[in-house]
Amino acid sequence: NAGVTQTPKFQVLKTGQSMTLQCAQDMNHEYMSWYRQDPGMGLRLIHYSVGAGITDQGEVPNGYNVSRSTTEDFPLRLLSAAPSQTSVYFCASSYGQGYQPQHFGDGTRLSIL
Amino acid sequence: TQLLEQSPQFLSIQEGENLTVYCNSSSVFSSLQWYRQEPGEGPVLLVTVVTGGEVKKLKRLTFQFGDARKDSSLHITAAQPGDTGLYLCAGPRMDSSYKLIFGSGTRLLVRP
Repeated sequence: NAGVTQTPKFQVLKTGQSMTLQCAQDMNHEYMSWYRQDPGMGLRLIHYSVGAGITDQGEVPNGYNVSRSTTEDFPLRLLSAAPSQTSVYFCASSYGQGYQPQHFGDGTRLSIL
Repeated sequence: TQLLEQSPQFLSIQEGENLTVYCNSSSVFSSLQWYRQEPGEGPVLLVTVVTGGEVKKLKRLTFQFGDARKDSSLHITAAQPGDTGLYLCAGPRMDSSYKLIFGSGTRLLVRP
């Protein structure tokens, strides 16, 4: 079982560039989410989805877009990268609400120059 | 705004010692989860506590949820180098159970 797969593992961008972070899960989970992890700040929720076609904002959504066309995939798009978006990004999936175990990918380390 | 505060931020101990890390809030949580994260990997769930006063044991790890459901603790007995990692507590927001709040974590180093 692959679980949650994130690609790429590392990426360096220049300010203003756009890119998409990919996330795929093979557990048929309805709930998927994106977090960013910065030193000393734990994980902060960016966007989440409760099923295909349904997305909503988390705590820090500005500068990021998401869509959910299938149950398996939940890509995160940076439209115009800024140095403040330098971080480690984690995708997670679960069967449902917050008390359900979250299954995390191994992260994408993103640097914006 | 619901917040989870973890203490201590850093802990360096010798193999065989006992330790306790804390996760505190001024708000009530319906449940709390504990995750462990190793370098280069995503967090992995250790336990979920749901009932106030609940105690759960996972080998040498003991988790407790406060009676008022505002705090939780993780106690490790006879720590081993394999326990090294970042320990995170997390809980769902009361106004939206789909939104998970994470503490900033306790980074534990167990020296051989």
